[in-house]
Amino acid sequence: AQSVTQPDIHITVSEGASLELRCNYSYGATPYLFWYVQSPGQGLQLLLKYFSGDTLVQGIKGFEAEFKRSQSSFNLRKPSVHWSDAAEYFCAVGAYGAAGNKLTFGGGTRVLVKP
Amino acid sequence: ETGVTQSPTHLIKTRGQQVTLRCSSQSGHNTVSWYQQALGQGPQFIFQYYREEENGRGNFPPRFSGLQFPNYSSELNVNALELDDSALYLCASSSNRFTGGSALDEQYFGPGTRLTVT
Repeated sequence: AQSVTQPDIHITVSEGASLELRCNYSYGATPYLFWYVQSPGQGLQLLLKYFSGDTLVQGIKGFEAEFKRSQSSFNLRKPSVHWSDAAEYFCAVGAYGAAGNKLTFGGGTRVLVKP
Repeated sequence: ETGVTQSPTHLIKTRGQQVTLRCSSQSGHNTVSWYQQALGQGPQFIFQYYREEENGRGNFPPRFSGLQFPNYSSELNVNALELDDSALYLCASSSNRFTGGSALDEQYFGPGTRLTVT
């Protein structure tokens, strides 16, 4: 069975500083990987996804993520954080098969942005 | 293009009661998935419906059941509510294309229904 670990529960970063959120996954086949963002009281918005090909994936809002098969990681980065990036971020691995197209999420990382 | 909508936004129920949550999928999508997000946790997959049939289920008891209608909207029903059922319930729609498993179709999430069980 697949699983996702986000080791950092909270991260505080200053506005304008860089941000990196860690994600480690466990999955027996080629993983489909996603990063979602959730603002308070909102649903989940997809930031980016990796299916295959180039291991550096560009997403919306200036985010990027790098897939590293050898480390089973899919870390999310942003070079310069804006106050509006304060939110909770979820990494997910997708499984496609008889059990449907289901996403398995990590526990999330809450990002606080200091002015 | 209309996004995924859910109703109601908030709901308060008493332990032992039954509840029905509703979801309208995004235009052109034929698959609906439901997730439960407890406070401070990531969403957990409950089940998925494709063309009005259950197409996969997570580790949830049978008192969690669902329906999908011909217009692809969906309901989540929970019987005999327990305090631990208090959570944000998220619906996600996607276009399920069986293309040999070469890609996982992106799931678009609604804003969720916040259920509180007292």
